[in-house]
Amino acid sequence: AQSVTQLGSHVSVSEGALVLLRCNYSSSVPPYLFWYVQYPNQGLQLLLKYTTGATLVKGINGFEAEFKKSETSFHLTKPSAHMSDAAEYFCAVSVASSASKIIFGSGTRLSIRP
Amino acid sequence: SQTIHQWPATLVQPVGSPLSLECTVEGTSNPNLYWYRQAAGRGLQLLFYSVGIGQISSEVPQNLSASRPQDRQFILSSKKLLLSDSGFYLCAWGTGVNQPQHFGDGTRLSIL
Repeated sequence: AQSVTQLGSHVSVSEGALVLLRCNYSSSVPPYLFWYVQYPNQGLQLLLKYTTGATLVKGINGFEAEFKKSETSFHLTKPSAHMSDAAEYFCAVSVASSASKIIFGSGTRLSIRP
Repeated sequence: SQTIHQWPATLVQPVGSPLSLECTVEGTSNPNLYWYRQAAGRGLQLLFYSVGIGQISSEVPQNLSASRPQDRQFILSSKKLLLSDSGFYLCAWGTGVNQPQHFGDGTRLSIL
């Protein structure tokens, strides 16, 4: 069975600092992984996805994530935080089934200090 | 391009009243459709999913039901709302195995 664990329910960084949001996955098959962002009172927006191939995945808004099989990790990073990055971030893994379900992590709230 | 619509955006209902939330998708055919609930400050809980018209699978036994009367329409209902039904309800669609899901803007449901 697949699962994801997000380390840290709340991360706070200064504007301009590196953003690092941690995600570890568990999967008995090659995983398909996603990062989503949720702004207050909005739905989830896909930031990036890892399917197969290149392990460094670039997404929208300057975010990227690196798939590390040896560490079963898929951490999200951004070199320089902006105030507009303040939001909830969810890591997710696809469940290989006909219904195409996705299992979401519990989320990490990112705060940006001026 | 594909779009997903959810309405209403906010809803305040008394305990014991019925509920109907609607979700429609445009620009794609035969999508998989999903209903999630997000409690305040918590993650997403999958409530129902559908792989085709009239095909509904329930993930969690509860006071809610879902229906898919048309290919791109997904409805979440309740006959009598409970206080515990409060939350943020999200509809999503997907195209197939290992593909991402795409979300609507959600409905904030408050039960008084």
